[in-house]
Amino acid sequence: AQSVTQPDIHITVSEGASLELRCNYSYGATPYLFWYVQSPGQGLQLLLKYFSGDTLVQGIKGFEAEFKRSQSSFNLRKPSVHWSDAAEYFCAVGGGVYSSASKIIFGSGTRLSIRP
Amino acid sequence: DAGITQSPRHKVTETGTPVTLRCHQTENHRYMYWYRQDPGHGLRLIHYSYGVKDTDKGEVSDGYSVSRSKTEDFLLTLESATSSQTSVYFCAIRTTGGATDTQYFGPGTRLTVL
Repeated sequence: AQSVTQPDIHITVSEGASLELRCNYSYGATPYLFWYVQSPGQGLQLLLKYFSGDTLVQGIKGFEAEFKRSQSSFNLRKPSVHWSDAAEYFCAVGGGVYSSASKIIFGSGTRLSIRP
Repeated sequence: DAGITQSPRHKVTETGTPVTLRCHQTENHRYMYWYRQDPGHGLRLIHYSYGVKDTDKGEVSDGYSVSRSKTEDFLLTLESATSSQTSVYFCAIRTTGGATDTQYFGPGTRLTVL
């Protein structure tokens, strides 16, 4: 069955520190993987995605993520966080756009707080 | 924003009444989705569509139905609203094609069932 697990509900890091948000997925084929960010009261914005090729993908706002098939993981990283990164982060998994494989499932999210 | 609008943006209704939420897009995208967002649960997929009259269930489809009679509109209906359906509902479209594969979300509808 298709599923996503984000094991950390809430993470607090100091401004300037590095960040890693965990995402584990279950999917029966090569997945499409996504990370979205949602600031308070705002909509969702795509940070980055993996669909094929290089397993280390770069996104906007200095974020990157690494697809590890053997671990069924797609963890999000940032070398130095800024106060403006405080938000909720969602990992999502889906298939290519072939009829019923087109559904995309989200994890429950990780709320990131930044300590001044 | 990929030309996605949702209506209404806010609605308060009573238990047992039917409710229909509308998602409208202007860019002719084939794939459309309905999610609900609740604290601690993230976004949960209710139903999705991969073409006109082609729809399928998501994770939490009980109590919900959908219709897509034309490309631009994807309707979500709560046949008999319950308090557990109080939530924020997001519609999304999906652009396709590998590197451009992305979901874009509407502004959301906040539904309160009393």
